[in-house]
Amino acid sequence: AQKITQTQPGMFVQEKEAVTLDCTYDTSDQSYGLFWYKQPSSGEMIFLIYQGSYDEQNATEGRYSLNFQKARKSANLVISASQLGDSAMYFCAMREKTGRRALTFGSGTRLQVQP
Amino acid sequence: EAGVTQFPSHSVIEKGQTVTLRCDPISGHDNLYWYRRVMGKEIKFLLHFVKESKQDESGMPNNRFLAERTGGTYSTLKVQPAELEDSGVYFCASSAPSGSETDTQYFGPGTRLTVL
Repeated sequence: AQKITQTQPGMFVQEKEAVTLDCTYDTSDQSYGLFWYKQPSSGEMIFLIYQGSYDEQNATEGRYSLNFQKARKSANLVISASQLGDSAMYFCAMREKTGRRALTFGSGTRLQVQP
Repeated sequence: EAGVTQFPSHSVIEKGQTVTLRCDPISGHDNLYWYRRVMGKEIKFLLHFVKESKQDESGMPNNRFLAERTGGTYSTLKVQPAELEDSGVYFCASSAPSGSETDTQYFGPGTRLTVL
């Protein structure tokens, strides 16, 4: 069974600073994908970034990057130059690359960006 | 291009009543998923359609929940009869036909269900 752990229920960061949101995972699968989603107060879930288990380089999407450490089974999200609009819930998720397509989610981290 | 849409955005019903939630996936997405987040818990998978077929319904909590996707387009999730513990936010997601390595699931805004 797959499990995602997000140990930070809440985080604060100053505007324009970088912040790291932690995510560790547990799986017996050899091939899997890791995702981060953002959920602002409006409720929709917005896809941010994807990392495949065999990808050699860390994924990056604009101000978002994923610090993937396979041996440690961690997939931390790094947001650079935080903006007020980054205040939201952030969810880490994973699924198998083949076979079952269901996402397994962590409990989320609420990020608040302070001016 | 329109994203995943869900209707209604909120629903308040009494215990024992029936509620039907609707999801319209992104056009061309064969894969459709239902998830829910009960208060204070993680987002949990309910089921997965490929076109009109149920590919995986291992997350459906019990037989009070019925999901359909007639014609392989929109999907409905019916709860009958609703119980208090069914309260939460129900998310729908869709993804492009399988074969894509990423197979990113795009989520709708969710339906907040409150059972009184």
